[in-house]
Amino acid sequence: DAGITQSPRYKITETGRQVTLMCHQTWSHSYMFWYRQDLGHGLRLIYYSAAADITDKGEVPDGYVVSRSKTENFPLTLESATRSQTSVYFCASTSTRGMVNEQFFGPGTRLTVL
Amino acid sequence: QQQVKQSPQSLIVQKGGISIINCAYENTAFDYFPWYQQFPGKGPALLIAIRPDVSEKKEGRFTISFNKSAKQFSLHIMDSQPGDSATYFCAASNWEDQFYFGTGTSLTVIP
Repeated sequence: DAGITQSPRYKITETGRQVTLMCHQTWSHSYMFWYRQDLGHGLRLIYYSAAADITDKGEVPDGYVVSRSKTENFPLTLESATRSQTSVYFCASTSTRGMVNEQFFGPGTRLTVL
Repeated sequence: QQQVKQSPQSLIVQKGGISIINCAYENTAFDYFPWYQQFPGKGPALLIAIRPDVSEKKEGRFTISFNKSAKQFSLHIMDSQPGDSATYFCAASNWEDQFYFGTGTSLTVIP
């Protein structure tokens, strides 16, 4: 399927466990992003990547690790999950066409840390 | 520090009315201001966007008004419909650089 996909869609884990959220896009977009969405905070950028092997911190990177060995994949890892990381996580990629710079979002992963 | 401030947090409008959502920013280096629409259980999707060289952009019932000197921009939804009920996010960016999103406005349009 064309587009941007995330897996799993739902995940329940326990405090201290490592969790990896997957993101895959079929467009070969250069830029990819990870956000978390929490009530009252909107969308906050965790990490982003301008290309394969290039990543940079966003607003709330602590407790998260990313990698990007291939253009199409951008996994997000919570090394030791905490309850404060309970959130909905969105992956996005950017397409720039003419005067439009559009971020395409995946369907999200709802993560619960017990 | 919130780079983009959005208000109101929630909005209830009668069908056929006008919905207005406001955003303000501080960083004068921002040169791209999109609005995203999000339905429950879905990711946000681009609705309309504006560059600072124009003061207004209209697409159907959706209009962005942009005030560069005040560093403010707003989304107007004319003839609001129940199908417009969603969460709306404003954002600002330096083109391909990272986007800074507002905190979102939950819009409910009452039939």
